[in-house]
Parts: sequence; C-alpha cells; structure tokens
Amino acid sequence: DGGITQSPKYLFRKEGQNVTLSCEQNLNHDAMYWYRQDPGQGLRLIYYSQIVNDFQKGDIAEGYSVSREKKESFPLTVTSAQKNPTAFYLCASSVGSSSYNEQFFGPGTRLTVL
Amino acid sequence: GQQVMQIPQYQHVQEGEDFTTYCNSSTTLSNIQWYKQRPGGHPVFLIQLVKSGEVKKQKRLTFQFGEAKKNSSLHITATQTTDVGTYFCAGGNNDMRFGAGTRLTVKP
Repeated sequence: DGGITQSPKYLFRKEGQNVTLSCEQNLNHDAMYWYRQDPGQGLRLIYYSQIVNDFQKGDIAEGYSVSREKKESFPLTVTSAQKNPTAFYLCASSVGSSSYNEQFFGPGTRLTVL
Repeated sequence: GQQVMQIPQYQHVQEGEDFTTYCNSSTTLSNIQWYKQRPGGHPVFLIQLVKSGEVKKQKRLTFQFGEAKKNSSLHITATQTTDVGTYFCAGGNNDMRFGAGTRLTVKP
C-alpha cells in the first residue's frame, strides 16, 4: 500500500527542546516537502528537497532543519530557535519538483509545545 | 517568492446553494492546482489547470483558469454536506505556492 506516513500524529514537547518529525514515502518520489499549517494561513513551505542529499529553504525555514539521506525519508527538526513551533506539520512528495507535479500529502503531525 | 491570494477565507452556505472561491496572483502562473482538505485530514489533489482560459469540470465542481493565467476559480453547484472542508489553490511558476484556503461549511 503506497503512500506517505508521518509519525507521530500528535506530539507534545516542552519549550526549549528540539523535536524531530518523521516523514517516509514509498512512492519512489524524488521531491519531498515540509509545510506548516496555521489557522487561516494556509500551507507555508518550510523546506523542500528535489533529490537525495539536497534540500532548499522555503519561505519560513528559520528555526527548522532537515536532512535527506535517503530517497524515502525527509525528517524535519523543529529547533528551540523556532519562536512559535505549535502548529500542524504536513509532509508531501511528488514525482519531481516541477510545479506541474501533483503533491501527495501525509496525514500530518500536530505539534504542541508547552 | 510569488504569492497567491485566495478569497474568501470562510464561506458558510445552506445545503443546495452554490459556492465559489477565487485565487489571484500578481504574476503570471504556469499552472494552477486545486486541493481539498477535509476537517481533520490532509490536502488531496483535485485538478490541475495549465492553459489560458481553461475550464474543467468534475461533477458539480467547475474549475477555471483566467485568460491572463493570473487568476482561477472553483465553483461548486448545489453544495452538499460532503463538500465541507478547506479548498486550496496552488500556483506554479517554477515552484508552487499555496493560497491560504477557503473553509467551506454547509448547513443541512
């Protein structure tokens, strides 16, 4: 059963702690993305990766870091430098990074920082 | 980077009424995609428009791409309770950026 998985679904962390969100896909897609969703603000791009071992900052990369060591995996670390980390985080992938490619989204991780 | 503006932010309709959401860009787009996110779910791709003036239909949903490729709309005829959710447009020009979405609620 192909798709994108994100874990965990809900995550709670204390302020000042780094936390890593998992994203795995078995669709053999080259491109992967991380978005942050806040009420009324749609989807804002954090980071994206067009290919293994390469990634670029999106519109709101400050306070986040990523890695792309494997094609299937694109973990996102929310660092203590991120001022307002509480949000719904969505991972997506597409065949390629062209804007013509449909993006497939994972179920999301809701992060709450206490 | 490019920005895609979407209005309205919220829309509440009575079941059976029509619904329209609009997407606008200050720059010419190469293509536009529409996604739907059900409450508690994740965005799911609906359709892509590429050509100037293109119109596509999916049952009660009609999607349009403006002649100048700077705007797009999604129109739902005779809404049903299954239409509830947030509808996003995503404009492409080398890369893709999402609008803020329009949240649709339908009163039975």
